[in-house]
Amino acid sequence: DGGITQSPKYLFRKEGQNVTLSCEQNLNHDAMYWYRQDPGQGLRLIYYSQIVNDFQKGDIAEGYSVSREKKESFPLTVTSAQKNPTAFYLCASSGGAGQPQHFGDGTRLSIL
Amino acid sequence: QQPVQSPQAVILREGEDAVINCSSSKALYSVHWYRQKHGEAPVFLMILLKGGEQKGHEKISASFNEKKQQSSLYLTASQLSYSGTYFCGTDSSYDKVIFGPGTSLSVIP
Repeated sequence: DGGITQSPKYLFRKEGQNVTLSCEQNLNHDAMYWYRQDPGQGLRLIYYSQIVNDFQKGDIAEGYSVSREKKESFPLTVTSAQKNPTAFYLCASSGGAGQPQHFGDGTRLSIL
Repeated sequence: QQPVQSPQAVILREGEDAVINCSSSKALYSVHWYRQKHGEAPVFLMILLKGGEQKGHEKISASFNEKKQQSSLYLTASQLSYSGTYFCGTDSSYDKVIFGPGTSLSVIP
C-alpha cells in the first residue's frame, strides 16, 4: 500500500544534541512538507519541498534543517539551536498544488 | 498568513448540524479541510479549488466563496465519529498550505 512512513514514533533529545526525524513516501509525490504541532494548537509549516534538491523555509524554520536528495525522502533535523523542540512533528506529501496532503503518523519529540 | 476559523469549539448532540467557517485575507487558489482525532494524524476530507464546484462527502459538504475568500464546512446529522478537531488549510501561492488554528467539535449522545 502507498503511504508515508515517519520514524521513530517517539524520540527523546538531550541538551545540545541534534536529532533527525525520518519521512519516506512511496506515493510518487513531488511535494513534501514538515509541520510542527504543539498541544491544542494547529499545524505550523517548518519546511517544504516541491522538487528534489530544492526546499523552502516555512513560517518557523529557525532551529531546523532539511534535505531532499531523493524524491521519496525528506528528513528533518532538529538542531540544538531549537530551544523548545518538544512537539508533535508531522510529515506530509502531495501531488502538487490543488492536491490533498497525505500525512504520516507523526513523531513525538521530547526533551530529556 | 494563517486563516481564521470559527467557532473555536462546538458541542453537538447526535443528529444535530454544524457549520465551521474559514476565512483568509489573501486571494486563495484552494481551500483544504481535514479532521484530526486526538493523538492521530490529520485525515483529508475535501478540497475546494478556485472556480470549482461545492464538494460533498456523505453528510459532510463544503463551499468556497472566492469573492470573500471564505469557506464553510457543513456537517449534517452529526454522528459520534465526527468528533475531533477540524482544520482548514489555505493555498494562496500554489505551493504550500497554511493551516488554521482548528475547531474542536464534540458530538455527545
